[in-house]
Amino acid sequence: NAGVMQNPRHLVRRRGQEARLRCSPMKGHSHVYWYRQLPEEGLKFMVYLQKENIIDESGMPKERFSAEFPKEGPSILRIQQVVRGDSAAYFCASSPRDPGLSEAFFGQGTRLTVV
Amino acid sequence: DQQVKQNSPSLSVQEGRISILNCDYTNSMFDYFLWYKKYPAEGPTFLISISSIKDKNEDGRFTVFLNKSAKHLSLHIVPSQPGDSAVYFCAAKDDYKLSFGAGTTVTVRA
Repeated sequence: NAGVMQNPRHLVRRRGQEARLRCSPMKGHSHVYWYRQLPEEGLKFMVYLQKENIIDESGMPKERFSAEFPKEGPSILRIQQVVRGDSAAYFCASSPRDPGLSEAFFGQGTRLTVV
Repeated sequence: DQQVKQNSPSLSVQEGRISILNCDYTNSMFDYFLWYKKYPAEGPTFLISISSIKDKNEDGRFTVFLNKSAKHLSLHIVPSQPGDSAVYFCAAKDDYKLSFGAGTTVTVRA
């Protein structure tokens, strides 16, 4: 049973380009969460999705950031017109059907560097 | 607004001794608390958790204590081993959302 898979592991983008981060949840998991970790800080909640639905995007910047979790395929976190401040580690986590008290399982992260 | 705080950014402990990591929170709606361990360039790995209705949970070398009145929890690792050297994050859950502390870097000395 493969864990949460994120790709790419490292992504370098020039200012103004678009960044696409992909996350495949664990088998049987239909809940996906995205977190961002800035240097020297803890992980910050960005968005929570279920299949084809955004449940909570309160942690996501209002502009340039979007997320989706289609019926088929991985969840995508998209950052348009990247700026240097977007440089961070982005982690995806998934949990089973009932998120209740389940522990979220994290992927290895995508390290985005904006140059 | 930092709802979960880990005030010690680092901890150094000798192999075989006890490691004690502390965590404070402000949101009384948190109903579940977790500790994650993270190695460099990897994602956080779940370590141990505790429900708000309990005050202690033990799993092998790891024990988590919860003091609800003080809004404080701690993780005890005993005995500490070199492989325990990592960053430890405290997290608290409100429904589906996890709020993380900034982490404590633990170094276990031989």
